[in-house]
This record gives sequence, C-alpha cells and structure tokens, in this order.
Amino acid sequence: GIQVEQSPPDLILQEGANSTLRCNFSDSVNNLQWFHQNPWGQLINLFYIPSGTKQNGRLSATTVATERYSLLYISSSQTTDSGVYFCAGPETSGSRLTFGEGTQLTVNP
Amino acid sequence: DTAVSQTPKYLVTQMGNDKSIKCEQNLGHDTMYWYKQDSKKFLKIMFSYNNKELIINETVPNRFSPKSPDKAHLNLHINSLELGDSAVYFCASSRRDRGEQYFGPGTRLTVT
Repeated sequence: GIQVEQSPPDLILQEGANSTLRCNFSDSVNNLQWFHQNPWGQLINLFYIPSGTKQNGRLSATTVATERYSLLYISSSQTTDSGVYFCAGPETSGSRLTFGEGTQLTVNP
Repeated sequence: DTAVSQTPKYLVTQMGNDKSIKCEQNLGHDTMYWYKQDSKKFLKIMFSYNNKELIINETVPNRFSPKSPDKAHLNLHINSLELGDSAVYFCASSRRDRGEQYFGPGTRLTVT
C-alpha cells in the first residue's frame, strides 16, 4: 500500500503566526483529504483536494499530484487551531484512506 | 442535522465481554467504513461496505464482525474483548467508492 509521510510531527506556534504542513505520498493518489482532529477527538474535514489549490478562510491547501505532495497553510493561527492535522489519500485502485501520522499543532496565546 | 452518528460515545467494559457499536449516516452515501485510532493517534481502516456489501476487510481479528443492514447503517460487533482492543473507533461514509469521506464523532472503547 501507499505510504503517507507528514511533516513536521510537532509544531508549536504563537497566536498570529503562519505555518505550513506538508504531506508526501509514496504513490499516486486519486484524491486527498486534510482533517483536523480537535482536542475533543472530532475529525473535521478541512479539504478534499485531488489537485490544485483551495482556500477556506485562514486555511488553504495545495496538492501537486504529479509530484505526490500536498501542503496545508494556516495563516494568523488561533488557539482554536490546536489539535492534530492529518492528511489521507486512497490508493488509486481502492477507497481505503491511508492516513499519515499527523502533525500535532499547539497554538499558544 | 448530524451527518454521521455513532453510539455509544464511550464504552467501558471488561475483558471477555461482547459489545457492539452502531453507526448511522443521513448523507445518502452508499459506502461506509470503520477505522481504528490507537493510543498514538494512528488511524487505520478496518472495514468498508458499499451498498451493504463488504469491499474492504483488512487484517482484523475474526472477533470483529461488521454488519450492514442497509446503506445508511454499519454496525461493528466485537466478541471476547481484549485489552488491546482499547482504542477510538470511527465510522465514516462517502458518496461513492473513492469519494470524500465524512467521519462520525468516534466511540472510545476501554477494555479493563
């Protein structure tokens, strides 16, 4: 199966700072999702982004499918952005989502 | 307006017991999944059903048995619970095979 590598594993920011999270895939994926797992454990869909760039408020994501990576940008971070950010993608031959190990983000006031 | 719901949210039980977790989605999706998140927060697929048919069955002990009575429901029954089964179990659904997946709130299972 595919391997999903996320970096950095941990990130600590001051409120207001910007950050970039990266997700690398070992093989082609036919779509890609970014999730935020908040401190209460909920998995929240951020982006469904097979390719290109999407923006949602302070968050944006870019996927370069040909180079097998995706980036998540968080601007003007807030304490409510804290949690674990996961990227995941299915193999081209199936629907199972393979998750990365996540980036643990802590935003301090 | 809950999209994907799971019951119960918390489940504490003793080793050897049998328990079930229920999942329902009201999104009109035709594919549903069970994922397991371990103590290190690693998420891994367990099962997937498409139109009530099993399409993914990862290397999961036979003690775990999914059942899909209809497209909107996917339940997970676990026999003879073991300490290592303690985890958070997430249900998810998608519109079609390979579509965007939406997750339920999770069920935290603790086996003592």
